[in-house]
Amino acid sequence: LAKTTQPISMDSYEGQEVNITCSHNNIATNDYITWYQQFPSQGPRFIIQGYKTKVTNEVASLFIPADRKSSTLSLPRVSLSDTAVYYCLVVLNQAGTALIFGKGTTLSVSS
Amino acid sequence: NAGVTQTPKFQVLKTGQSMTLQCAQDMNHNSMYWYRQDPGMGLRLIYYSASEGTTDKGEVPNGYNVSRLNKREFSLRLESAAPSQTSVYFCASRTGDPNTEAFFGQGTRLTVV
Repeated sequence: LAKTTQPISMDSYEGQEVNITCSHNNIATNDYITWYQQFPSQGPRFIIQGYKTKVTNEVASLFIPADRKSSTLSLPRVSLSDTAVYYCLVVLNQAGTALIFGKGTTLSVSS
Repeated sequence: NAGVTQTPKFQVLKTGQSMTLQCAQDMNHNSMYWYRQDPGMGLRLIYYSASEGTTDKGEVPNGYNVSRLNKREFSLRLESAAPSQTSVYFCASRTGDPNTEAFFGQGTRLTVV
């Protein structure tokens, strides 16, 4: 599985757009990229996933360049409730595969 | 729809005691996972079960055993608890098909004294 590298922490203010970049230099052809969010004292929850180009849902956007060696999670107009840990995972596109989380990025949003 | 249910939510053990953490899902998922999370750390995979009848080691399997009792249930056993196993334990499940999301339980906070 490809190793991922993310910033340990980020700070932002309410209303700003936040971009968290994840590096995965040795991503394989059959891997896809997925992001999870974890609030304190809760289990992680799925945010978004993609294989290439851009994916958008009601929560976030995911940008993946053509070489797929990195990806960027974009959170538009964050609020205090977006304070959480965000994990970038590279997952093998195969049934029953392991899910390996790194240390994630702790996002702190202030007013 | 309960999703993923973990029991107990809290537990204190003495060093050397044994216990089993229970996990059950009602989503008919094939794959189930056990993680531990230490303060300020990310999640580390202990064991996972790709489908009923199979289990595989994750990143940190030492000191743990698992049982995939049936499709719904996946238990984690500590045979002889150690203070280093003090952690929050999360169970997760997903269909097992490619590109599917995992659903997590609320966690079990375990303290070994």
